[in-house]
Amino acid sequence: DADVTQTPRNRITKTGKRIMLECSQTKGHDRMYWYRQDPGLGLRLIYYSFDVKDINKGEISDGYSVSRQAQAKFSLSLESAIPNQTALYFCATSGPTGAVGETQYFGPGTRLLVL
Amino acid sequence: SQQGEEDPQALSIQEGENATMNCSYKTSINNLQWYRQNSGRGLVHLILIRSNEREKHSGRLRVTLDTSKKSSSLLITASRAADTASYFCATEDSGAGSYQLTFGKGTKLSVIP
Repeated sequence: DADVTQTPRNRITKTGKRIMLECSQTKGHDRMYWYRQDPGLGLRLIYYSFDVKDINKGEISDGYSVSRQAQAKFSLSLESAIPNQTALYFCATSGPTGAVGETQYFGPGTRLLVL
Repeated sequence: SQQGEEDPQALSIQEGENATMNCSYKTSINNLQWYRQNSGRGLVHLILIRSNEREKHSGRLRVTLDTSKKSSSLLITASRAADTASYFCATEDSGAGSYQLTFGKGTKLSVIP
């Protein structure tokens, strides 16, 4: 089974609708991240959480909100979706490795289309 | 804002050839990492090099880091068709909060059988 799972994998919605993307992990990591990927722009950080009580805005948080329901679950919400939020969304986790620098483990992504 | 910038944006080589991708960044870093992404799928970590390291190897991968030039290179030797993917560098900036990574825009590598 995958260590980081995302649901749904694909979603089509209409402008103005509220949607939630969910992420679950079995790696036991404290740190979780949400990114969006647009063609030619690489990955940009939306929100991140270092533990259940810690939520931080990333580079492009406007129009998004998150909820850290448990150590293993981190959800991303679009309160009122708009077409320029059409993108590929990734959840990632990281945890202490005992060494300097952590690597991130990515989910398979959610492809979102806002009409 | 993007920290790393990969060069070239796209690279096409024959199987068996070596592939070199470069990454430049702007600020001081704790470490630099390379990730691979197969089309439309999640990123997979390849290798991490710390700011006090100059070169690192992992299988057919060789990464160099030049902090004076704020640049890194990823060399894939004896490429295979299965190496076809996009490759991203990511930096953990020493000025920003720890554990955050800033990704570049990626190099799309095509290995022709």
